[in-house]
Amino acid sequence: DAGITQSPRHKVTETGTPVTLRCHQTENHRYMYWYRQDPGHGLRLIHYSYGVKDTDKGEVSDGYSVSRSKTEDFLLTLESATSSQTSVYFCAISNPAGRGGILETQYFGPGTRLLVL
Amino acid sequence: SQQGEEDPQALSIQEGENATMNCSYKTSINNLQWYRQNSGRGLVHLILIRSNEREKHSGRLRVTLDTSKKSSSLLITASRAADTASYFCARAPQGGSEKLVFGKGTKLTVNP
Repeated sequence: DAGITQSPRHKVTETGTPVTLRCHQTENHRYMYWYRQDPGHGLRLIHYSYGVKDTDKGEVSDGYSVSRSKTEDFLLTLESATSSQTSVYFCAISNPAGRGGILETQYFGPGTRLLVL
Repeated sequence: SQQGEEDPQALSIQEGENATMNCSYKTSINNLQWYRQNSGRGLVHLILIRSNEREKHSGRLRVTLDTSKKSSSLLITASRAADTASYFCARAPQGGSEKLVFGKGTKLTVNP
């Protein structure tokens, strides 16, 4: 987890409220990712960023938005939280290697446990 | 689904035994990676094997890759209780994709 922090680590909120999760890195990695992890589904990509202000959708992006205004911070926002968004959220960082941006190792943060009541 | 598939889903062994986990995938890859996740923690990278490699070792870990069968195996030798964790394979698809594709994981329990 060195070099990657997530805040908050735990959050309980009510349906319909907005929620913002923060990922902060000190490694100067270009790529940042948001995943959610749920029993039976493994790790699923929500959104990712390949540079400041450059983001793209993952496989489960509905109901989520992201922003990256500087290299070190990647924010995940649930505009109006729903119970189906109760999950553990992980941030990850990576730097592509070589021509074509071949993905190498991803480094993960400690996770945020979100409960939507 | 584009996810890789690990099997078994769960594995329980005694300390000192070897543990083998398998990962299959459907499309060509640049590399395949294995990660470990201890309960309540983030994933930790274990080993990366490239598409032109057949076997890699790291300590008690041995990873093999068979691109003709689109499968990989992770072997943990002389397992310890501390190896209890979930293990995930993740593939970097060929063609410069910016996204790793993770499998659903194998939950390994090593009994003392």
